[in-house]
Amino acid sequence: DAEITQSPRHKITETGRQVTLACHQTWNHNNMFWYRQDLGHGLRLIHYSYGVQDTNKGEVSDGYSVSRSNTEDLPLTLESAASSQTSVYFCASSESTSGRAYEQYFGPGTRLTVT
Amino acid sequence: KQEVTQIPAALSVPEGENLVLNCSFTDSAIYNLQWFRQDPGKGLTSLLLIQSSQREQTSGRLNASLDKSSGRSTLYIAASQPGDSATYLCAVGGSEKLVFGKGTKLTVNP
Repeated sequence: DAEITQSPRHKITETGRQVTLACHQTWNHNNMFWYRQDLGHGLRLIHYSYGVQDTNKGEVSDGYSVSRSNTEDLPLTLESAASSQTSVYFCASSESTSGRAYEQYFGPGTRLTVT
Repeated sequence: KQEVTQIPAALSVPEGENLVLNCSFTDSAIYNLQWFRQDPGKGLTSLLLIQSSQREQTSGRLNASLDKSSGRSTLYIAASQPGDSATYLCAVGGSEKLVFGKGTKLTVNP
């Protein structure tokens, strides 16, 4: 069965370190998304990609970067981790057809703690 | 900027009750609306997707409606069960991206 996986599931890191969270999907979807979920804010979009070599900034992109070298993967990098980036991170993917938005499928999430 | 509101933030009901969860959004120019379920410490599970041209979708005991002109959607759960206890999230799709509400935490008491 097709799925979307994230690794690691839990991560503790120190302030200032670079951290990369992995997202891998076997749906063969063009669209991939990264969200963070925080109490009081709900889910907010960090970055998204509509295909290989395409990346776009979302609502809360400062301090994060992504790259898309193939269809299956969209790694999220925190260049210099800050305590404000302690959160649960979700990756999602969806099909893409011009003028129509499709159902998004979510990964299990990565809980990141920055100390 | 699209804003999505879910009221109430929390709801507690006895088992067997029919209930309605509400979602409102500020910009009616949407592509779709998606309802998710999230269990504690888990990811999001898609429940229903309503395209902008549709008025409702049904899956088992769940029925979701969409009124674009008034900026509202409801999720109706029939004959609630303790296993329905979870947080329910509404997300509005503008083009490919989703804007989420903060969710309604549902507790169904045996």
